[in-house]
Amino acid sequence: ETGVTQSPTHLIKTRGQQVTLRCSSQSGHNTVSWYQQALGQGPQFIFQYYREEENGRGNFPPRFSGLQFPNYSSELNVNALELDDSALYLCASSPPGRAKNTEAFFGQGTRLTVV
Amino acid sequence: KQEVTQIPAALSVPEGENLVLNCSFTDSAIYNLQWFRQDPGKGLTSLLLIQSSQREQTSGRLNASLDKSSGRSTLYIAASQPGDSATYLCAADSNYQLIWGAGTKLIIKP
Repeated sequence: ETGVTQSPTHLIKTRGQQVTLRCSSQSGHNTVSWYQQALGQGPQFIFQYYREEENGRGNFPPRFSGLQFPNYSSELNVNALELDDSALYLCASSPPGRAKNTEAFFGQGTRLTVV
Repeated sequence: KQEVTQIPAALSVPEGENLVLNCSFTDSAIYNLQWFRQDPGKGLTSLLLIQSSQREQTSGRLNASLDKSSGRSTLYIAASQPGDSATYLCAADSNYQLIWGAGTKLIIKP
C-alpha cells in the first residue's frame, strides 16, 4: 500500500509568480485535503476534494485553487504569490465515502519559499 | 467556530519521565480527535485517533484520552526517550476539515 506523496519537496518562487503543487493520494483513498502550515503554527485548512469536486473550503482567497483527477491525485495552484504564502503545504488523503470517523494520512509536504 | 489550544507550547524533561500533553477544543461536536507528531521541517505522522464515541486509545507507550463534555484531550507518553523529541499536534475533526492546535514542542534530554 503506497502512502501519500507530494512533489516537489522544496520550491523557491518570486513574488507575483504562480505555483503548482502535486499530491498522490494513498491507494484506495478518494478524498484529498490541503493544508498550509506557517512556521511555528498549526496547519490551516485550505480546501478538500471528494470525487473530483471541491467539498469544502477554508478562509483562503480565490488565488488558491485546486483540482482532483480521476485517479484521485490532486493539485494545489497558487496565483500571484505573496511573501506570506511561504509555508509548508501539506496534503492528506482519506478513505472512500468520507466516513466521519476516518483517519487522515499526510504526505511529507512541500516547502514553498516566496522571495 | 472551533478553536483548538495546546498547553504547554514547549516542554523539556529528562529521559525516562512520564509526561502529559494537553489539548482543548471549544466545540464538542467533533467526529474525532487525532494526535500527530511532526519532526523539524517534516510532514505529519498520525499517532492516535480517538473517535467521538470513544474515551481513549493506546499504542505502545502512548495513550490518548478524550472528554468531549469538557472539551479536552490528553496525550500520555510513558517512559520518554530522546527519540520522542518532536512537536506534537492535536486536531479536531469538525465535519470535513481538521482544526489544529499550534503544537507542543517536546524535548527529551538524555
